[in-house]
Amino acid sequence: ELKVEQNPLFLSMQEGKNYTIYCNYSTTSDRLYWYRQDPGKSLESLFVLLSNGAVKQEGRLMASLDTKARLSTLHITAAVHDLSATYFCAALYGNKLVFGAGTILRVKS
Amino acid sequence: EAGVTQFPSHSVIEKGQTVTLRCDPISGHDNLYWYRRVMGKEIKFLLHFVKESKQDESGMPNNRFLAERTGGTYSTLKVQPAELEDSGVYFCASSPLAGGLNEQYFGPGTRLTVT
Repeated sequence: ELKVEQNPLFLSMQEGKNYTIYCNYSTTSDRLYWYRQDPGKSLESLFVLLSNGAVKQEGRLMASLDTKARLSTLHITAAVHDLSATYFCAALYGNKLVFGAGTILRVKS
Repeated sequence: EAGVTQFPSHSVIEKGQTVTLRCDPISGHDNLYWYRRVMGKEIKFLLHFVKESKQDESGMPNNRFLAERTGGTYSTLKVQPAELEDSGVYFCASSPLAGGLNEQYFGPGTRLTVT
């Protein structure tokens, strides 16, 4: 069965700094997703990664996928306060999503 | 386009009572999923409907949980009788039937507290 490990679980960042969230998954998956959740809100889809070497960028966030290493990363560049949220990675297993534990990101001014 | 909606947003019930959660998917989405996040744990899959049929209910914890999707539109998830360990946030998601990215769109969740 597919397992997804995400780290760190909590990340406190200074504004303007860079950091990376890691997502390892245990077996082959067709898709890797990154979601953002603000308190009390829906999970908002950020990226869908389909193939080895895929890289997608949106604003200060960049996601990549290495299917051979079974690793996806979410890189945050020059963090700003608006990025404070919980970030989840999820791998597709059949038709269901298997989630990591989530990373609580707090950006301090 | 309206997103996935869930009702209620928050429910507090006593152990032994019954609660029914409702999910309205995005119009035209034949796939509907239920997930749950128990405090401090990962979001876990419960079950998957394709239209009105249960495609995969491997994540349902036990027979106190009953999900329905009559008519292939909205879905309900009933917990009867509720236990303390059922507390958590229940998410619903939907996606179109056709392939593509298989991107699931999530609702805001229902926070269930069993006391």
